[in-house]
Amino acid sequence: GAVVSQHPSRVICKSGTSVKIECRSLDFQATTMFWYRQFPKQSLMLMATSNEGSKATYEQGVEKDKFLINHASLTLSTLTVTSAHPEDSSFYICSAETGLLSYEQYFGPGTRLTVT
Amino acid sequence: GENVEQHPSTLSVQEGDSAVIKCTYSDSASNYFPWYKQELGKRPQLIIDIRSNVGEKKDQRIAVTLNKTAKHFSLHITETQPEDSAVYFCAAGSRWYNTDKLIFGTGTRLQVFP
Repeated sequence: GAVVSQHPSRVICKSGTSVKIECRSLDFQATTMFWYRQFPKQSLMLMATSNEGSKATYEQGVEKDKFLINHASLTLSTLTVTSAHPEDSSFYICSAETGLLSYEQYFGPGTRLTVT
Repeated sequence: GENVEQHPSTLSVQEGDSAVIKCTYSDSASNYFPWYKQELGKRPQLIIDIRSNVGEKKDQRIAVTLNKTAKHFSLHITETQPEDSAVYFCAAGSRWYNTDKLIFGTGTRLQVFP
């Protein structure tokens, strides 16, 4: 149980375009999903917390107009990187809380974004 | 803001030896402390966690200890095996408004040599 999927696993896009990444909880309903960014050989940096049916909460320094988050259902959250630039290239990982016990987060497989 | 420090950044051990990774946290409200294992290019996997009402927890070769007074917790892996090689992240969880938020440590790259 507690499986989280992410799509796509890899994406290459041109500078100035937008990219949408999907995060799905496959066998449970997730009222809260989290979006992280991970640079090579570095830790996971929380970008935002996504709650179903409400606006996402962004961490300090994360541009909400650049990283659009939509949590439209209890099993799907999307992250859209708008007007992507090479410095947005990174590994983006989502996670979801099962809700059965507080704090337990299960991670998706990640999306490697390369902006050329 | 909240901060989690993790040491060492790299750790090399011989197969069969023990490995210890230590973390300290700054937010005294933290009450959940998970450890994740991440292999190259893959998702972090929860390997063990501990809550603030417990001082120690063990699961086969893995154990975690927590000292709330000193605000530090540690991961202990005994009888290490080559497949234990990975990056390990500690995290501290606390309630933030209506959300349970994890702050991650900087990671420890563990290499177990046969």
